[in-house]
This record gives sequence, C-alpha cells and structure tokens, in this order.
Amino acid sequence: EAGVAQSPRYKIIEKRQSVAFWCNPISGHATLYWYQQILGQGPKLLIQFQNNGVVDDSQLPKDRFSAERLKGVDSTLKIQPAKLEDSAVYLCASSFLRGQETQYFGPGTRLLVL
Amino acid sequence: AQTVTQSQPEMSVQEAETVTLSCTYDTSENNYYLFWYKQPPSRQMILVIRQEAYKQQNATENRFSVNFQKAAKSFSLKISDSQLGDTAMYFCAFTRNNNDMRFGAGTRLTVKP
Repeated sequence: EAGVAQSPRYKIIEKRQSVAFWCNPISGHATLYWYQQILGQGPKLLIQFQNNGVVDDSQLPKDRFSAERLKGVDSTLKIQPAKLEDSAVYLCASSFLRGQETQYFGPGTRLLVL
Repeated sequence: AQTVTQSQPEMSVQEAETVTLSCTYDTSENNYYLFWYKQPPSRQMILVIRQEAYKQQNATENRFSVNFQKAAKSFSLKISDSQLGDTAMYFCAFTRNNNDMRFGAGTRLTVKP
C-alpha cells in the first residue's frame, strides 16, 4: 500500500512570495490533514478535510493560507504572501475516517522563507 | 483545551537497554485516544503505539509498551532492548472523537552504541 505522498520535499522562497504544497493521501482515506511543524515543536493542525469539505480550519491563518481538496482526493496548501515565520515543515496526514482513526503522515515539505 | 506535555526534551540510552519517555496530558473528556509517534531524521512521522482510554490494559507492540495511568493523566512509553534505529524524535499525541490531534513538543532520543 502506497503511503501519503507530498511534493516538493524542499522549498526556499523570499518573503512576500507565494508557494504551494501538494499532498496525495492513502487511497480510500476520507480524512486529510495539514500540519505545520516549526523547528523544535510538535505538529500543529492547520486544516482538516472530510472528503472535499472542511471540517476544521480554526488554526489556519486565513489572511495568507488557503487549502483545497476539490475532488476529495489530493489537496493543495498555499501560502500567499509568505512571511519569515512561515518557515517550517508542512506535514500532510490522512486517515480512513474521522474520530479515533490513526493518522498516517507523509514525508513533509520543508519550507524556508528568506 | 487539551494540552500534552513532554517534560524531557532530550534523552539518551545505551544500545540494548531500556528507556522510558514521559507524557502527561490534560483533558476533561472520558473517552479519548493516545498515541506515540516516532519521527526519525528523515522526518516521516510513524505510529509507534496507540491506546484507547476506555481500555485498562496497557498497549504493547513488540519492544514498545505504554504505562497508561488514566487518573494521573499519564502516558509513558517504554522501549526495551533499544536499537540504534530507535534514534528519533518521539511525540506523544492526544485526540478526542473529532480527531483534533494535539501533539507534545517531543523528546529527542539518542541510542548510543
């Protein structure tokens, strides 16, 4: 079974530029999550999708971050414009259902904003 | 709000020995789920073990076991016969039924040869 795929693995941009990350979850997983992991900290949930609908985006900085999962499969997270404090690893995870299901993580995208 | 605390930023252990990583959490819920995830230097987060709060029996997965103390809100991870490949960041995580998973700050474990 293929795992959660993410691309790119690394990205370096200058502040005020825009950037997009892509995630393809495990086949059949209805729930998809985007996390931000700042160096030295645990992951923090940004947004959670159930199929193609948003379940929780309470911690997403909506003035600059956006995410979509149009067909209920893969997802894109965008930052526009980027700030220095957005430097982090962006992790995508998926689970079969909501609730107590185990989440499976992708390798992450490491973003550096200069 | 649910919080997860890992009080040991770094730990080390000799190969083949046993080490215990600590985790405490704060919640008013009665039904919830606890996890330990491992994040090696390659940064792929991997599930190590999970525990359902309604189960009294501690979860075990090969060399990994937990000591779940519900009243004390404690969830420690014991790694027996430590191997070099166990070197990683270990995150304790908590979730209720809505799957809003909260992570601790992590413990960096180094297994020394």
